Amino acid sequence: QAVVTQEPSLTVSPGGTVTLTCGSSTGAVTSGHHPHWFQQKPGQAPRTVIYDTVNIHSWTPAHFSGSLIGGKAALTLSSAQPDDEADYFCLLSYSGAWVFGGGTKLTVL
Amino acid sequence: QVQLQQSGPGLVQPSQTLSLTCDVSGDSVSSNSVAWDWIRQSPLRGLEWLGRTYYRSKWFYDYAPSVTSRITISPDTFKNQISLQLNSVTPEDTAVYYCVREGWGMDVWGQGTTVIVSS
Repeated sequence: QAVVTQEPSLTVSPGGTVTLTCGSSTGAVTSGHHPHWFQQKPGQAPRTVIYDTVNIHSWTPAHFSGSLIGGKAALTLSSAQPDDEADYFCLLSYSGAWVFGGGTKLTVL
Repeated sequence: QVQLQQSGPGLVQPSQTLSLTCDVSGDSVSSNSVAWDWIRQSPLRGLEWLGRTYYRSKWFYDYAPSVTSRITISPDTFKNQISLQLNSVTPEDTAVYYCVREGWGMDVWGQGTTVIVSS
């Protein structure tokens, strides 16, 4: 089974920009992996913020965006807010099976 | 508004079968445009996708390799619900289990059910 890799932790200053990445042990991440990004706060279920690489939901903060960068899926938070502090997980599709990354703990400090 | 309401026991004995049910409201489990997934989360294993079912003129099933020999996901079109069965459980199966709609991404989640495997 493929392994999906994420930065274990990142720190960003309020108002700053941070990019979280999601790599695959099988090679470059492409749109065919249908990258998803989830935000999870303590005691809550994960919530999708980005799906299919770039698509947002009505509840996705306006300063969140998804992309592919350097063979990885990326989640960029522009003008980070204290409320963005959370765990972020990516999810990739491998021919009908989904695999989660280990998650990135984002600190806004 | 789509809602997923999970039910099932919170304690299962080792080697027994874990059984959970997900009641769907606001959508049909037979919809041709969505899938119904089960995902779990534990400190030991993190978030883990277990499997899904979906209807495209017939029912399809995808399972994670790590559990494929032990898992069954079943739709019930009369009750509009999705069930999960995981056989031969061990303490490593202790986790919070989620029923999830895969529509526009994994867009609707159940409330989660904490299942502890212990004697």
